[in-house]
Amino acid sequence: EAGVTQFPSHSVIEKGQTVTLRCDPISGHDNLYWYRRVMGKEIKFLLHFVKESKQDESGMPNNRFLAERTGGTYSTLKVQPAELEDSGVYFCASSPKGMRGLSYEQYFGPGTRLTVT
Amino acid sequence: DQQVKQNSPSLSVQEGRISILNCDYTNSMFDYFLWYKKYPAEGPTFLISISSIKDKNEDGRFTVFLNKSAKHLSLHIVPSQPGDSAVYFCAASARDDKIIFGKGTRLHILP
Repeated sequence: EAGVTQFPSHSVIEKGQTVTLRCDPISGHDNLYWYRRVMGKEIKFLLHFVKESKQDESGMPNNRFLAERTGGTYSTLKVQPAELEDSGVYFCASSPKGMRGLSYEQYFGPGTRLTVT
Repeated sequence: DQQVKQNSPSLSVQEGRISILNCDYTNSMFDYFLWYKKYPAEGPTFLISISSIKDKNEDGRFTVFLNKSAKHLSLHIVPSQPGDSAVYFCAASARDDKIIFGKGTRLHILP
């Protein structure tokens, strides 16, 4: 079974530009999460989709960040315009059902390292 | 304000000995705790978890202990092996699916 995949693995952009990150969850997983880790800091929750609906977007930093999950399959996270402080590693995770169902386990992708210069 | 704290950025342990990673939390609403392991250039991998109704959960070489009164949990790895060298994240959840992570502890297993 394929794991969570993320594209690109690394992106370097200039301040003010736009970047779109993509996440493909494990097939059949209704729940999709985005997290971010800024250098040396903790991994921080950004938002949670259940199928195509945003369940919780309390961690989104500001309105420069837009996440979508049309059709309830893959998800994109767009940053527009990018700022220096947006640099970090963006992780996507998926789980087969509400975490408090059969399993509490979220499966993480390898992350996208975003560098804003 | 950090709700999950891992105060040791790194830890070195001799191969074959016990590794003990510690974690403190502040939010009394947390009722589920997890440990994730992360290798460079990879995403975190779930290791072991514990519900707040328990004080111990064991899975092979890994045991997690929870002390609710002290708001403290620890991960014990015994015996430690070279492949255990990684960053370990303590994490917690409070009645929703959002996971709150600590900053991580880098474990070095020495030959």
